[in-house]
Amino acid sequence: EVQLVESGGGLAQPGGSLRVSCAASGFTFSSHSMIWVRQAPGKGLEWLSYITTGSHIDYADSVKGRFTISRDNAKNSLYLQMNSLRAEDTAVYYCARIDYGGFFEYWGHGTLVTVSS
Amino acid sequence: LVLTQSPATLSLSPGERATLSCRASQSISSNLAWYQQKPGQAPRLLIYDASNRATGIPARFSGSGSGTDFTLTISSLEPEDFAVYYCQQRYNWPPFTFGGGTEVEIK
Repeated sequence: EVQLVESGGGLAQPGGSLRVSCAASGFTFSSHSMIWVRQAPGKGLEWLSYITTGSHIDYADSVKGRFTISRDNAKNSLYLQMNSLRAEDTAVYYCARIDYGGFFEYWGHGTLVTVSS
Repeated sequence: LVLTQSPATLSLSPGERATLSCRASQSISSNLAWYQQKPGQAPRLLIYDASNRATGIPARFSGSGSGTDFTLTISSLEPEDFAVYYCQQRYNWPPFTFGGGTEVEIK
């Protein structure tokens, strides 16, 4: 069974940093591209970043230069390092597997990041 | 590339037919998916490539359209279908664009 489990969310100060993780199981992690998506309270879905099997990376303009995506295939894990956090980064952060050439069948349950002083 | 969903809210009763719309600001061929999201849960893939049901999705969910206009139809609403629905394109990525969502609420 494919499982994605996020962790690392919590409270961060404006201007601070946080790293969220996504532990993958039930599939060959190294063979799949992955993404991070977030959802601010009461709002819609926003794609943040993706990383391919060959570690090609891209970011949404809203987080470019502040967030860094990475993966550790040996640990079956995906990461999102978030720096220079702002109040508007408060959201539930989801990891998901890219399937069907660009759609997302498997998602984690999400981890809540709150940026507040 | 912008995806615009309408209506924002759809008020219907169980057993009724739901028709949700997603319009792309430029042609995206059939590169569209639909997701369902319930409160406190992650999105669930319903439809990919505009009209293909994902694994385990009931036949009452169907998708249609190509180019710029797409429709998600729920033929007869079950109580568990009241949720928010999002469309998403993969034609021109990155970015992976989502629509703003349509809430299907109980009338």
